[in-house]
Amino acid sequence: DQQVKQNSPSLSVQEGRISILNCDYTNSMFDYFLWYKKYPAEGPTFLISISSIKDKNEDGRFTVFLNKSAKHLSLHIVPSQPGDSAVYFCAARAGNNRKLIWGLGTSLAVNP
Amino acid sequence: EAGVAQSPRYKIIEKRQSVAFWCNPISGHATLYWYQQILGQGPKLLIQFQNNGVVDDSQLPKDRFSAERLKGVDSTLKIQPAKLEDSAVYLCASSLGSENTEAFFGQGTRLTVV
Repeated sequence: DQQVKQNSPSLSVQEGRISILNCDYTNSMFDYFLWYKKYPAEGPTFLISISSIKDKNEDGRFTVFLNKSAKHLSLHIVPSQPGDSAVYFCAARAGNNRKLIWGLGTSLAVNP
Repeated sequence: EAGVAQSPRYKIIEKRQSVAFWCNPISGHATLYWYQQILGQGPKLLIQFQNNGVVDDSQLPKDRFSAERLKGVDSTLKIQPAKLEDSAVYLCASSLGSENTEAFFGQGTRLTVV
């Protein structure tokens, strides 16, 4: 039972263009969502988060959009750079002190 | 600021052997997490400590896995006896609070059980 779904295992984008990574969830109790980036042989690194009371959060080239009615969030990277090539994980939490539920990840390749 | 330290980086053992992983979290971080990440999957929380108390160990296979956090700082995760399906990367993470927001991860220990 996958409560957090990242349906695209991989994505390839040209440098300078927009990368859009999608995440769907099934649990309406999730109140906080996070994106982590993971390079090979390293642990995940926190990228950006959004609370369920917001619909958008922006940090530099990274923007996360939340559509609660559709139970969908997306991460936009503009412009994409080769250094953004990594696996991106979507994670969600239901209430304080609750464990994060992680998606399977999307492998992003940004081509020069 | 030093990050989360884990050792060893790699470990290969035979099934039914035992293995232990060590984690030193970021100084001052009260919450420590152990995750298991099987190839092609997202991390799965095994156990969460708040200082030296266990907050969540609902997904820890307690018949073979154990973890402790001495004095609320370093932590060890042990598997005894190991099974083939335990082959995974074991990630340790820490955070200031217990709200599962921004956690900092170590590089992980890649375990191969043969």
